[in-house]
Amino acid sequence: AQSVAQPEDQVNVAEGNPLTVKCTYSVSGNPYLFWYVQYPNRGLQFLLKYITGDNLVKGSYGFEAEFNKSQTSFHLKKPSALVSDSALYFCAVRATDSWGKLQFGAGTQVVVTP
Amino acid sequence: GAVVSQHPSWVICKSGTSVKIECRSLDFQATTMFWYRQFPKQSLMLMATSNEGSKATYEQGVEKDKFLINHASLTLSTLTVTSAHPEDSSFYICSARDWDRGVHEQYFGPGTRLTVT
Repeated sequence: AQSVAQPEDQVNVAEGNPLTVKCTYSVSGNPYLFWYVQYPNRGLQFLLKYITGDNLVKGSYGFEAEFNKSQTSFHLKKPSALVSDSALYFCAVRATDSWGKLQFGAGTQVVVTP
Repeated sequence: GAVVSQHPSWVICKSGTSVKIECRSLDFQATTMFWYRQFPKQSLMLMATSNEGSKATYEQGVEKDKFLINHASLTLSTLTVTSAHPEDSSFYICSARDWDRGVHEQYFGPGTRLTVT
């Protein structure tokens, strides 16, 4: 079975400062990892994924994430946060079954202050 | 491309009635769709996996007779909440897989807010 942990319920950062949202995972076999963002009363928007290859993955809206196999982590980062980045962020791991079910972390609320 | 829609976006119904939520893939064929439930400020909980032309596979603890899922075509899956009660009030989100774009891609609908009074 796979699981995802997001240790921080909320991350506060000032606009223009670097933003990091932490994620660790547990999975048997090769991990397929994803980051999604959710704005209030909206569905999820895909940010980026790691399937294989380069450990540094670049995604939408200036976000990137680094896959670290030894630490079983997949932290989301943005060099300079914007107020509009304030949202709920979910890390997810894909099941290795044929249907590809996603297991989501609890979510981290990001608050970017002007 | 890869747009998933849901209808309605919000619905209020009385306790005991049934509500149907539609999930459509607008520009691709989705052989597999997923239904999630999300409580306020919580994560998404997978309810069931829906495959076109076959019965849905429900997650443990999800009542299949209460949450009826039908995936009658490659672009439409429906979730019917039967005999709804206030505890069924939640945000329901569907997602769809586009096999043509690769097995890893999953696209989410905007969600449906259900309130049962």
